[in-house]
Amino acid sequence: QVQLKESGPGLVQPSQTLSLTCTVSGFSLTSNSVHWVRQPPGKGLEWVGAIWSGGSTDYNSALKSRLSISRDTSKSQVFLKMNSLQTEDTAIYFCTRYYYSGYFDYWGQGVMVTVSS
Amino acid sequence: DIQMTQSPASLSASLEEIVTITCQASQDIGNWLSWYQQKPGKSPQLLIYGATSLADGVPSRFSGSRSGTQYSLKISRLQVEDIGIYYCLQAYSAWTFGGGTKLELK
Repeated sequence: QVQLKESGPGLVQPSQTLSLTCTVSGFSLTSNSVHWVRQPPGKGLEWVGAIWSGGSTDYNSALKSRLSISRDTSKSQVFLKMNSLQTEDTAIYFCTRYYYSGYFDYWGQGVMVTVSS
Repeated sequence: DIQMTQSPASLSASLEEIVTITCQASQDIGNWLSWYQQKPGKSPQLLIYGATSLADGVPSRFSGSRSGTQYSLKISRLQVEDIGIYYCLQAYSAWTFGGGTKLELK
């Protein structure tokens, strides 16, 4: 069955770089796109970015200068890297599969990232 | 950028009551609208896609509708397991979530 699972450090220091991995199973990254969505504590959902089945990417315009999404199709993994982290980047980060008709049909459990010294 | 204005921000309702949540898009997004339910400590779950189509496994008491650029999620008879936070999402141009509606039991 379709599964996504996020992994990464729980704590990152301000100004440092965040690296997260989304490991997927039950579908191919060359046939589906994977997006990242984040949720600050007690707040709503914010779209972060995406990597498409062909390998191209889209980023939230507010984060674009600090963000990079890539993948390793042989390992069924998608990577998120965000530099110059600030306390406002503290959030749960979810990866989710995007269905071409315009919705997110499967989600990972999320990983909590705290930016603090 | 497309803005999604969701209302109300919070809602208290009784069991078996009809509940309606709305999202107003800042421009035409066609049927590129989906709804999600999020329970505490969990990831969001898809309820409605294409503005009106029910996702697999979602109870039929949930329904979605569209009137122009206003979209609605209706719960016909509120159940205790429906408590949570609801979000709309537009996927017409980039992706934008509504601010969320926290649904509580009265």
